[in-house]
Amino acid sequence: DAKTTQPNSMESNEEEPVHLPCNHSTISGTDYIHWYRQLPSQGPEYVIHGLTSNVNNRMASLAIAEDRKSSTLILHRATLRDAAVYYCILRVYGGSQGNLIFGKGTKLSVKP
Amino acid sequence: DSGVTQTPKHLITATGQRVTLRCSPRSGDLSVYWYQQSLDQGLQFLIQYYNGEERAKGNILERFSAQQFPDLHSELNLSSLELGDSALYFCASSRLSGMGTDTQYFGPGTRLTVL
Repeated sequence: DAKTTQPNSMESNEEEPVHLPCNHSTISGTDYIHWYRQLPSQGPEYVIHGLTSNVNNRMASLAIAEDRKSSTLILHRATLRDAAVYYCILRVYGGSQGNLIFGKGTKLSVKP
Repeated sequence: DSGVTQTPKHLITATGQRVTLRCSPRSGDLSVYWYQQSLDQGLQFLIQYYNGEERAKGNILERFSAQQFPDLHSELNLSSLELGDSALYFCASSRLSGMGTDTQYFGPGTRLTVL
């Protein structure tokens, strides 16, 4: 799987939008961009994924650059419950292994 | 609640011992994955089973083994335990074999402490 680069940590204020960046300059045409997050003392949970177009779901939005070398996870109004480590992961469609490869992720702190 | 259950929640044992961790996947999911999370190594993939067969192997030690049963639940066996095996062990499941868009759902984990 191609490598991703994320900032180690970010801080946000409650009820403000948060933009979490991810660089993946070696992404290939068949790589999907997935985001998972891990709340304190819990297992990771799926947030969102996309291939080329921007995606929205009830949790977040995913903005993908036109060249696909970077993406941004957008939390529209951060809550205290969004404090977590966010992982940006590339998944190959049709690859030989189904496991996720976690990097260090971005630790998001949310201030009240 | 992801629908993935893991037992036990906590396990405390001594070096040299053997333990078994159990995972029940979400209803209908065919793949089960095991991950280890320690403070210094982060989340590391151990092994994947798909519909009863081993599908992929990660950094799993020879002292560790796993299997997936006909009812699709899985067990991770850890033997000759060492202090360094102390970690959180997560099980995840997915509908299919995990490629591309197949989402993984994680259980709450088992915290293993080896004294």
